[in-house]
Amino acid sequence: SAVISQKPSRDICQRGTSLTIQCQVDSQVTMMFWYRQQPGQSLTLIATANQGSEATYESGFVIDKFPISRPNLTFSTLTVSNMSPEDSSIYLCSVELAPGGANVLTFGAGSRLTVL
Amino acid sequence: DAKTTQPTSMDCAEGRAANLPCNHSTISGNEYVYWYRQIHSQGPQYIIHGLKNNETNEMASLIITEDRKSSTLILPHATLRDTAVYYCIVWNTGTASKLTFGTGTRLQVTL
Repeated sequence: SAVISQKPSRDICQRGTSLTIQCQVDSQVTMMFWYRQQPGQSLTLIATANQGSEATYESGFVIDKFPISRPNLTFSTLTVSNMSPEDSSIYLCSVELAPGGANVLTFGAGSRLTVL
Repeated sequence: DAKTTQPTSMDCAEGRAANLPCNHSTISGNEYVYWYRQIHSQGPQYIIHGLKNNETNEMASLIITEDRKSSTLILPHATLRDTAVYYCIVWNTGTASKLTFGTGTRLQVTL
């Protein structure tokens, strides 16, 4: 399975600032996904990022708030813009692979963001 | 909306089998049943998946009813390290559909 590295693992930020989260994969992947997990909640998909095209955002998430870059097949970034305390969450990167023909999503360890 | 229903929480004694149920009565013919778990402060971890046949791997067994409207994840000998939130998900991997997480079952393994 793929190894996914996310940076930062955690951060504390001030209201109104922006933070960029990096996701590095040790193999080339077509599809990368960004999820958010608010405190005590399940995971919610933010957007799908394919290399060479604009990210596709889920309902309730917009590009101005969560701009995503996907410069190559092993890397992506998610920016949380103009942060408020409601953005305090764990942000997770994941990739879809098909080892042995079975589609599986592999997740990074997440980036825990606290906004004061 | 998630297409699955799971109990909110369950307890299991260490060394015993943990049987986690999941209802997915609206599952369509080309949707697989996937199970993931999330140990505290970590990303979700893939466990197992199946279409209609029962499946077993080194982590768990998956039993899917004949009508595919429900399934059970079995951890044969639960350990304290199996304490986690377990998510049952239906996913059509052949399309652009996304992996949608429900609320999951919080499994507490006790001594």
